[in-house]
Amino acid sequence: GQQLNQSPQSMFIQEGEDVSMNCTSSSIFNTWLWYKQDPGEGPVLLIALYKAGELTSNGRLTAQFGITRKDSFLNISASIPSDVGIYFCAGPHSSNFGNEKLTFGTGTRLTIIP
Amino acid sequence: DVKVTQSSRYLVKRTGEKVFLECVQDMDHENMFWYRQDPGLGLRLIYFSYDVKMKEKGDIPEGYSVSREKKERFSLILESASTNQTSMYLCASKPDNYGYTFGSGTRLTVV
Repeated sequence: GQQLNQSPQSMFIQEGEDVSMNCTSSSIFNTWLWYKQDPGEGPVLLIALYKAGELTSNGRLTAQFGITRKDSFLNISASIPSDVGIYFCAGPHSSNFGNEKLTFGTGTRLTIIP
Repeated sequence: DVKVTQSSRYLVKRTGEKVFLECVQDMDHENMFWYRQDPGLGLRLIYFSYDVKMKEKGDIPEGYSVSREKKERFSLILESASTNQTSMYLCASKPDNYGYTFGSGTRLTVV
């Protein structure tokens, strides 16, 4: 199946720092989604991007849909303790039978050092 | 809010056992999904269903089967559990537009 590679795999930062992570694909996506998974919970949608070049914000989070449509970026400004978790990119595409399914990236684990 | 409920948070099963993981959603969604989550590999799609009694293989269906007899319930079945199926299993549902809602996950350990 399709694969989305996220970088970095993990990050250790201090509270207040800005965070950047990215996601790359071997194939084109028409939509990029960013999810966050809190410890012990399922992923929750943060931001959805629908157009190449689009820049969308959700509070301190900003995500961009890459021009090539093969990558996307997520930035978090002024990190706070509740930002801790795993961040996943995801892209929907059609199965062999035309049904839509979502492929997830490998994840970036964010840890805040006291 | 849509709620997706997975019946167990933690399960420990023996090698060779038949294991059922249950997932129920309360919003009449057509589509339901089973993923497994492993460190460094992200979430990988096992099976999904777009209607009652309809199913389609995901990226890693080997060793698994599914059942969807009613719209609200989607079950993942491990016919003969093996240690390499130790993982976190996540169920999700969605309506026709985007907006996957995930359950809290079932952490399965096969010993």
